[in-house]
Parts: sequence; C-alpha cells; structure tokens
Amino acid sequence: EAGVVQSPRYKIIEKKQPVAFWCNPISGHNTLYWYLQNLGQGPELLIRYENEEAVDDSQLPKDRFSAERLKGVDSTLKIQPAELGDSAVYLCASSRFPLLTPTDTQYFGPGTRLTVL
Amino acid sequence: DQQVKQNSPSLSVQEGRISILNCDYTNSMFDYFLWYKKYPAEGPTFLISISSIKDKNEDGRFTVFLNKSAKHLSLHIVPSQPGDSAVYFCAAVLPQGGSEKLVFGKGTKLTVNP
Repeated sequence: EAGVVQSPRYKIIEKKQPVAFWCNPISGHNTLYWYLQNLGQGPELLIRYENEEAVDDSQLPKDRFSAERLKGVDSTLKIQPAELGDSAVYLCASSRFPLLTPTDTQYFGPGTRLTVL
Repeated sequence: DQQVKQNSPSLSVQEGRISILNCDYTNSMFDYFLWYKKYPAEGPTFLISISSIKDKNEDGRFTVFLNKSAKHLSLHIVPSQPGDSAVYFCAAVLPQGGSEKLVFGKGTKLTVNP
C-alpha cells in the first residue's frame, strides 16, 4: 500500500511570494489533514477534510492560507503571500475515518520543508 | 498552553539498555494516547497506543504505561537498539463531537549509542 505522498519535499522562496504544497493521501482514506510543524515543536493541525468538506479549519490563518480538496482525494495548501515566520515543515496526513481508534490512526507523509528568505 | 508536555528534549542511552520516554498531559478529556516515531526527513509513524481505560499496553520491545491519576504516560523500549534513534512524539486524542483531534507534544530525541 502506497503511503501519503507530498510534493515538493523542499521549497525555498522569498518573502511575499506565493507557494503551494500538494498531497495525495492513502487510497481509500476519506479524511485528510494538514499540519504545521515548527522547529522543535510537535505537529499542529491547520485543517481537516472529510472527503471534500473542510470540517475543521479553525487553526488555519485565513488571511494568507488557503486549502482545497476538490474531488475528495488530492489536496493543495497555499500560502499567499509567504512571510518569514512561515518557514516550517508542512505535513499531510490521512486516515480512513474521522473517528480515530487505537488501531486506526493517522498516517503522515514526509512533509514539505518550506524556507522563506 | 501545552496540553501535552514532553519535558525532556533529548535522551541518550546505551544499546541494550532500557529507554524511558515520558509525557505529561493536562486535559482529563483525552480518551487515548499514542506514540509516534519520526526519523529525519520523514513524517511521523505510528508506534503504539493506549486507551485511557487501560494502564499498560505492550507490543514487542515497546510498552506504554498510563497513570491517569498523575496524568502521566511513559514509553519503555527494551532492549534499545541503534535503529530506535529518532524523535518520539507523544500525542493525545481529544474527542470533538463525532471526530477527534490529535494533540502532540514537542517530542523527545532519543539517541541509542552502539
């Protein structure tokens, strides 16, 4: 079974530029998550999708961040414009169902490391 | 306010010895707990979990202990191997009306020396 795929793996941009990250979840996983991981911190949820619906975006900074999951499979996270403080790793994860159990948890992709200069 | 706390940023042990990673939490609503392992340039991978109604769960070399009264859990790795060197995240599941949210600690970097 293929894992969660993310691209690009690394991205370096100048501040005020736009950037987009792409995620392909595990086949059959209806729930998709985007997390932000700052250096020395644990992942923090940005947005959660159930199929194509964003059901929890309370932590997404909506002035500059946007996300979409148009067909309920792949998802894109965008930042426009990027700021220096956005430098971090952006992780995508997926799970079969939104209701997690001890044996059905979230599976993470390798992340995209963003550096804003 | 950190609801899940891993107060030791790093831990170093000798191969073959026991590694004990600790985690404290503040929210009594968490209904189960997980440990994730993360290698550099990879995403976190699920390692082991424990329900809040249990006090111990074992899987091979990995055992997680939960002390609800102290709001404390620990991950024991016996015996430790060099391949166990990674960052370990403690995470807690917070019920949210039909779906749940994972709350992560900051992680502990484990180094197992040959």
